[in-house]
Formats: sequence, C-alpha cells, structure tokens
Amino acid sequence: GDSVTQMEGPVTLSEEAFLTINCTYTATGYPSLFWYVQYPGEGLQLLLKATKADDKGSNKGFEATYRKETTSFHLEKGSVQVSDSAVYFCALSDRPQAAGNKLTFGGGTRVLVKP
Amino acid sequence: DVKVTQSSRYLVKRTGEKVFLECVQDMDHENMFWYRQDPGLGLRLIYFSYDVKMKEKGDIPEGYSVSREKKERFSLILESASTNQTSMYLCASSLRFELGWSTDTQYFGPGTRLTVL
Repeated sequence: GDSVTQMEGPVTLSEEAFLTINCTYTATGYPSLFWYVQYPGEGLQLLLKATKADDKGSNKGFEATYRKETTSFHLEKGSVQVSDSAVYFCALSDRPQAAGNKLTFGGGTRVLVKP
Repeated sequence: DVKVTQSSRYLVKRTGEKVFLECVQDMDHENMFWYRQDPGLGLRLIYFSYDVKMKEKGDIPEGYSVSREKKERFSLILESASTNQTSMYLCASSLRFELGWSTDTQYFGPGTRLTVL
C-alpha cells in the first residue's frame, strides 16, 4: 500500500537558518504530493502541493520539488522565522480522480525556531 | 474561505461511554473525513464519506462508526469508549465535481482532543 516517510523531529533551529525536512514516498500510481502545516492549537492547513513529476510547489517562502526518480518531496526554506514553529506533515493522494480521494500522511516533523 | 468546525476542542469521557464528535463544514463539500492524530504516527484515516448517507472504512475503523444525514455534517461515534481511543480527532472536507472526480486538497477543522479515563 501507499506510505510516506519523513524525518523524525524535533528539529530545532535558530532564526534565519536554512530548513530541510526530508520526505520519501511509496505509491503504486502517480500520486499528488502535499505538505501540510499544523500551528500550535490549530488544525492542519495546506502549505503547498505538486501534482506531477518535476513540479515545484511553493508558498510562504517554502519550496518542495516532486522528484519521481528518487520518490521524494523534500521541504525547504532558506531563512526560517519564529512563526514557522509548527508540525509539518508530508502526504500523498494516489487517487486524485476518484470519489472521496484519500490522503496518506507521514508521521509529522516538529520544528522549533528559536530567536 | 472554507470553514470546518468541530463541536468541542477538549473532551473527557469515561471508559464505556458512548461518545459523539460532530463536524460541520460550510462550503457545500461532498467529501468528509475523520482522522485520528497520534505522536509519531501522523494522521490515520478512520472513515470517510463522499455523499449523504454514504460511508467507507478507512485504515483504522475498528471501534468507531459514523453518520452523515446531512451534507454539511459528519459525526464520528465511539460506541463504547476505551482508553486506547484517547487521541486528537481531526475532521476534514474536500470538493467533488459533478463528473465524479475530487480535488485533492482537504480542509481541516481545529481538532478535538479526547481523553478517555
């Protein structure tokens, strides 16, 4: 079945540091890939997505490129802020054209940015 | 903006109680989902529904049931709560178009943290 593996946290950084969170996946088809973010006390919200190989998703200074050859979708940000402290989830959708398409999530990576 | 609301942010129940978790979305979405979130395990799908009165089991349906009587409302039911159901429960919704295919972006509620004593 489908699965998503992401690096375990917590990841602790200083403000303005470079952030990378690794994500690899296993899927039988051609999935769409996502990064969701959960800020403290809130639900998940979509950060960015990519729907086909070599697509780059970007939002709020974060980027991730869909790499089919390495089945990866690593999240990067060049200069983090304290407000980026959150839990980040990598996810895939393997049936984007089916009724009630489902997401498969990784375990989440907690990121803490210190001033 | 899509808004998904959940009836309670925090809930404490006793073992054996029947528990209802309610979720309401205001964007006329066909698809609705219930997940549980546990540290290190990410989100796991319990049940989902792609239409009124329709439901499908997710990855971990045991000990849970659901109800979808109206399009905007999706309820998760713990028939007899147990301590291993202590968790954060997240509801989500997504849009399905007339031709049958769905957008892949899901919109989440704030979650209900359930403690079963």
